[in-house]
Amino acid sequence: GENVEQHPSTLSVQEGDSAVIKCTYSDSASNYFPWYKQELGKGPQLIIDIRSNVGEKKDQRIAVTLNKTAKHFSLHITETQPEDSAVYFCAGTSGGSYIPTFGRGTSLIVHP
Amino acid sequence: KAGVTQTPRYLIKTRGQQVTLSCSPISGHRSVSWYQQTPGQGLQFLFEYFSETQRNKGNFPGRFSGRQFSNSRSEMNVSTLELGDSALYLCASSLVPSGGLNEQFFGPGTRLTVL
Repeated sequence: GENVEQHPSTLSVQEGDSAVIKCTYSDSASNYFPWYKQELGKGPQLIIDIRSNVGEKKDQRIAVTLNKTAKHFSLHITETQPEDSAVYFCAGTSGGSYIPTFGRGTSLIVHP
Repeated sequence: KAGVTQTPRYLIKTRGQQVTLSCSPISGHRSVSWYQQTPGQGLQFLFEYFSETQRNKGNFPGRFSGRQFSNSRSEMNVSTLELGDSALYLCASSLVPSGGLNEQFFGPGTRLTVL
């Protein structure tokens, strides 16, 4: 089955800095890669996603890049703000199983 | 549009008991997926229902079951509770089946504590 590894587990940045979270996956058949933000006491919220036929996608301060050859994808947050502090999860879904596999999460802390 | 709602939000049970959790998807969404979130194992897929049929199932024992009603509302049941079943149970809805391949909207979860 799919295996998704996420790094780092904790990321501490100053307000205004950029943050990068990386994930690798094992199943070359995986073709959908969402990123979720989970705030304390809430369920995960989709913030951006990318499909395997696209190399990069951007939405305001958030971007995701995908390298299919190396089987890794990354979340980039620019001009971080304190409200970006949360746990971020990546996921990969194989087109064969339709079952999403999640990374272990990254706790992002943005210091004012 | 109202989001995904889950009831109850918190639940305390003892070992050996059974529990039923409820999920109401976003209006118009016909796919409901359930996930278990624990500090040790992270977020894990339990199963997905679409049009009252189970479409996919994760690697969980048969004590975990679910169903979906004609109005797309879903319930999951855990029988013979074990201490390790303590977790946040999340429900997610999507417009189309195979939620793992499409945008999913998560509810706030039900926090289950097994004593």
